[in-house]
Amino acid sequence: KAGVTQTPRYLIKTRGQQVTLSCSPISGHRSVSWYQQTPGQGLQFLFEYFSETQRNKGNFPGRFSGRQFSNSRSEMNVSTLELGDSALYLCASSSLPAEPYEQYFGPGTRLTVT
Amino acid sequence: AQSVAQPEDQVNVAEGNPLTVKCTYSVSGNPYLFWYVQYPNRGLQFLLKYITGDNLVKGSYGFEAEFNKSQTSFHLKKPSALVSDSALYFCAVKGTYKYIFGTGTRLKVLA
Repeated sequence: KAGVTQTPRYLIKTRGQQVTLSCSPISGHRSVSWYQQTPGQGLQFLFEYFSETQRNKGNFPGRFSGRQFSNSRSEMNVSTLELGDSALYLCASSSLPAEPYEQYFGPGTRLTVT
Repeated sequence: AQSVAQPEDQVNVAEGNPLTVKCTYSVSGNPYLFWYVQYPNRGLQFLLKYITGDNLVKGSYGFEAEFNKSQTSFHLKKPSALVSDSALYFCAVKGTYKYIFGTGTRLKVLA
């Protein structure tokens, strides 16, 4: 079974630009979550999607948005990039609400904002 | 509110010695607890979980974890550490439509 894939793996953007990251979950998984990982803040929850509906959202500004498509693939968008948005963005999928409950993570997208 | 705490930023252990990475949790109701490992420039990998049943759960790569309800702890253990176990370890608890992760503990196994 193929794992979670994320594209692109690396991105360099300039302040003020916007960026779109993509995530393809494990086949059959309908729950997709996004996280931001930085050395100082650890792993911060961004949002969770299930069947094209956002069910939960972390404490991030409205510049961070996402969506999920009917095939469960998900995208997240960050508009008006700031230097502090530089981070590793991780996508995870799970079989929620069914067991097993663990999440499976993609390799991440490393975003650098200059 | 649900939360997990990993009190140690870093744990150093000699190769061949037992290791413990600590995690405590705060949840209402029965906790669903997880351990993940992250190697450099990689995503997180699932190690093991506690949902219900035996308090000692076994997972990948020889790791195990002990669920202790009275101490609200879920410590990760391994009887004999390997240099290749050096990585960043995260404890997590399942919430409503989200997972809450600890701040991570860097494990360094010294040869």
